[in-house]
Amino acid sequence: GIQVEQSPPDLILQEGANSTLRCNFSDSVNNLQWFHQNPWGQLINLFYIPSGTKQNGRLSATTVATERYSLLYISSSQTTDSGVYFCAVEGRSNYQLIWGAGTKLIIKP
Amino acid sequence: EAGVVQSPRYKIIEKKQPVAFWCNPISGHNTLYWYLQNLGQGPELLIRYENEEAVDDSQLPKDRFSAERLKGVDSTLKIQPAELGDSAVYLCASSLGGENTEAFFGQGTRLTVV
Repeated sequence: GIQVEQSPPDLILQEGANSTLRCNFSDSVNNLQWFHQNPWGQLINLFYIPSGTKQNGRLSATTVATERYSLLYISSSQTTDSGVYFCAVEGRSNYQLIWGAGTKLIIKP
Repeated sequence: EAGVVQSPRYKIIEKKQPVAFWCNPISGHNTLYWYLQNLGQGPELLIRYENEEAVDDSQLPKDRFSAERLKGVDSTLKIQPAELGDSAVYLCASSLGGENTEAFFGQGTRLTVV
């Protein structure tokens, strides 16, 4: 099956810093989603991005499907950005989401 | 528009007791998912419904877990009997269906089995 790898596994930054999170996947996919799981456990949709670039405020994402990776950019980090960021891809053989292990982000004030 | 609604938010039960979780998906979403999430890990799919049909239940431990989505809208996940290892967060998600698989999650039910 498809393997999804996220890096780095952990990231600690000062408020105001920028960061780049990476998601690599081992095979062609139909779709890719980025989620933020906040400290209360809620999974929040960030981007639904099978290819190309999307931006939403301080966050943006780029997926290069031909090279099998996606990047999530967070600019001017705030403490509320803390949590775990998951990448999930949908395989071409079924509609199941395959999840990465997540990147745990801590933003210090 | 309301998001995915789950209840209860928290549940503590003794081992060997039954427990049930309820999920109401976003209106108009045909696909419904139940996931299990252990601490520090990503969600793991238990079952996926397309309308009222369970199209992927290969990861559901059928000896003790069951699920239903009788009218193709809300869904119930049951565990009977619960074991200590079932302690986890149970997440429900929904998507429009068809080619649109963008999933939206509820707040989850945190189950503690003692």
